[in-house]
Amino acid sequence: GQNIDQPTEMTATEGAIVQINCTYQTSGFNGLFWYQQHAGEAPTFLSYNVLDGLEEKGRFSSFLSRSKGYSYLLLKELQMKDSASYLCAVIEVDYKLSFGAGTTVTVRA
Amino acid sequence: GAVVSQHPSRVICKSGTSVKIECRSLDFQATTMFWYRQFPKQSLMLMATSNEGSKATYEQGVEKDKFLINHASLTLSTLTVTSAHPEDSSFYICSARDLGGTWQYFGPGTRLTVL
Repeated sequence: GQNIDQPTEMTATEGAIVQINCTYQTSGFNGLFWYQQHAGEAPTFLSYNVLDGLEEKGRFSSFLSRSKGYSYLLLKELQMKDSASYLCAVIEVDYKLSFGAGTTVTVRA
Repeated sequence: GAVVSQHPSRVICKSGTSVKIECRSLDFQATTMFWYRQFPKQSLMLMATSNEGSKATYEQGVEKDKFLINHASLTLSTLTVTSAHPEDSSFYICSARDLGGTWQYFGPGTRLTVL
């Protein structure tokens, strides 16, 4: 099985930066996804990393270190609408996705 | 592109009845569809993997006779919750993987409430 750990909750103020860490253990790594999920809605794609390094996409960046089994999602210039749950998910060679429990980010004015 | 729909979006049923949820890939062919369940304040848990034209593969602890999955075409998979009970109340989400791809595209989810 997989073991994916991420913090349960984080709080930050509008305009600030927040970094959500994710550690994982898996047998057949084929990439790591970050998703955003608002209450009552399906997850929406934020980023995908399969090689080591940083992927930047606007205000969101994601980093991966395969040797350390570690990733982070960086949210910059936080906005109120960024309050949501952020899910770290590992995809294996059989294309199955395993999700972490999610990190609830609360952005305060 | 890569749109996945689910129907219905919300269903309320009585205990003991069966409920069918449809998952469709609208603009691509999906060799594989996945069904997830999400309880409040918890993450998505994979229930089963559905391949077109073959039997679904269920995750450990998921009853295959209770959660019937049919993947009759490259664009449609259905999940039937048989003899539903209140503990089956959950958010059910499907995803579809296109031919030869790594990505999964998620449907909008179905909120099931069993009274």
